[in-house]
Amino acid sequence: DTAVSQTPKYLVTQMGNDKSIKCEQNLGHDTMYWYKQDSKKFLKIMFSYNNKELIINETVPNRFSPKSPDKAHLNLHINSLELGDSAVYFCASSAFGSLNIQYFGAGTRLSVL
Amino acid sequence: EDQVTQSPEALRLQEGESSSLNCSYTVSGLRGLFWYRQDPGKGPEFLFTLYSAGEEKEKERLKATLTKKESFLHITAPKPEDSATYLCAVQALGNNRLAFGKGNQVVVIP
Repeated sequence: DTAVSQTPKYLVTQMGNDKSIKCEQNLGHDTMYWYKQDSKKFLKIMFSYNNKELIINETVPNRFSPKSPDKAHLNLHINSLELGDSAVYFCASSAFGSLNIQYFGAGTRLSVL
Repeated sequence: EDQVTQSPEALRLQEGESSSLNCSYTVSGLRGLFWYRQDPGKGPEFLFTLYSAGEEKEKERLKATLTKKESFLHITAPKPEDSATYLCAVQALGNNRLAFGKGNQVVVIP
C-alpha cells in the first residue's frame, strides 16, 4: 500500500502546454508539500499546504498553481510550460507539528521539449 | 537563510570499506537535522532525525551523529545495497520547512 502516490510517473510535453500532477497520501497527515529536484539533484521546496491552507509559497513563477481539494490530496498545475521546468517533482506529507518528518512520493519526471 | 553543505559530493567504496559523510549546516536555531536516503528513480526515504549536539542514532550499518555545526553519517562495512544518494536537511525553530543539501552519492563496489 503506497503511502504517498503521485501520478503520472513520467510526463513528456511540448513547450507552452498546460499539465497537472496529482498527489495523494493515505497516512492521515495534515501537511503536504511540493518539491522540485533539478538535474543536479538539488531538492527545493515549492509549496506547502496544511489542511487545505497554503502555508509555504516559495518564489516560483505564478505559472505554477497548487490546489488542495482535501487534506489527503495536493495537485500541481503548471501553465505555459517552459524548457526550464524540466525536472523531477516530488510530493511529500508530514504530520503537522514541530517534528517535521516528511514522507515522499516516487516523483514525477517532467520533460518539456 | 538556512544552508546545508554536504561533502564529498560523490564517494566510491569497496565493499567493507567504512567511511563517513559530512553535512555542515547554518541555521538560526536548530529544531532538527534529518538524513534521507534516495535511490535512483525514487523519492527520498527517511532515515534519522537528530535534535541536539551529542546525539547519535543507528540503523544497521549506518550511524548518524550531530554537533553544533555539522552531522556525520558513518557507514560501517558497507554492502552494495548501501549504494544511494544520502540527503541531509535541517529544520529551523518555528519553521515548518526543510532545507536540503545537494546530497552525497555513494557507490559501493562488490
